[in-house]
Amino acid sequence: SQTIHQWPATLVQPVGSPLSLECTVEGTSNPNLYWYRQAAGRGLQLLFYSVGIGQISSEVPQNLSASRPQDRQFILSSKKLLLSDSGFYLCAWSEGTRTFYEQYFGPGTRLTVT
Amino acid sequence: AQTVTQSQPEMSVQEAETVTLSCTYDTSESNYYLFWYKQPPSRQMILVIRQEAYKQQNATENRFSVNFQKAAKSFSLKISDSQLGDTAMYFCAFEAGGGKSTFGDGTTLTVKP
Repeated sequence: SQTIHQWPATLVQPVGSPLSLECTVEGTSNPNLYWYRQAAGRGLQLLFYSVGIGQISSEVPQNLSASRPQDRQFILSSKKLLLSDSGFYLCAWSEGTRTFYEQYFGPGTRLTVT
Repeated sequence: AQTVTQSQPEMSVQEAETVTLSCTYDTSESNYYLFWYKQPPSRQMILVIRQEAYKQQNATENRFSVNFQKAAKSFSLKISDSQLGDTAMYFCAFEAGGGKSTFGDGTTLTVKP
């Protein structure tokens, strides 16, 4: 069966510090991968998605970036965090070989920028 | 571009009763999938139910069922015999192929004992 891991679960970082959140998927090959941000009590904002290694699409201009160094690894980064980067970050994957895809979500990372 | 609207930010229901969550969407696509996801207080998002647009029959999963009205672009979720564990934020989502889903802003459902 497939599983998705995200870490860390919680993170408190000062403004201006770097960020690295990691997501890995097990039990599947060539998944589509996604990073979302969720503000408190709000919906999901798609930040990045990837259909393959090195293929990243950015949905929202910001100071965040994403990379996919391996097939089942997806990393969200920032060189300098802003207060507005606080939120709940979700990684998700979907089958890369189907026409339509439901998504499977990781447990999330709660990021607080102070 | 597709849009998904959930017009009920918050709802509550008594345990064992039935509740319906609304979702409307806008698209020019003819074939697509619709989903309802559940995010409980633990924040772990899980799929509740899916509906294929070319299927006229409404999807059901145990106590969860949908009312899919393609012409009206409406996709509501009905929860029967509500349980305390159904307390969660529910998201409606649309996917027209290519792997990217559009999510609504969510409805927070509270089931009261």
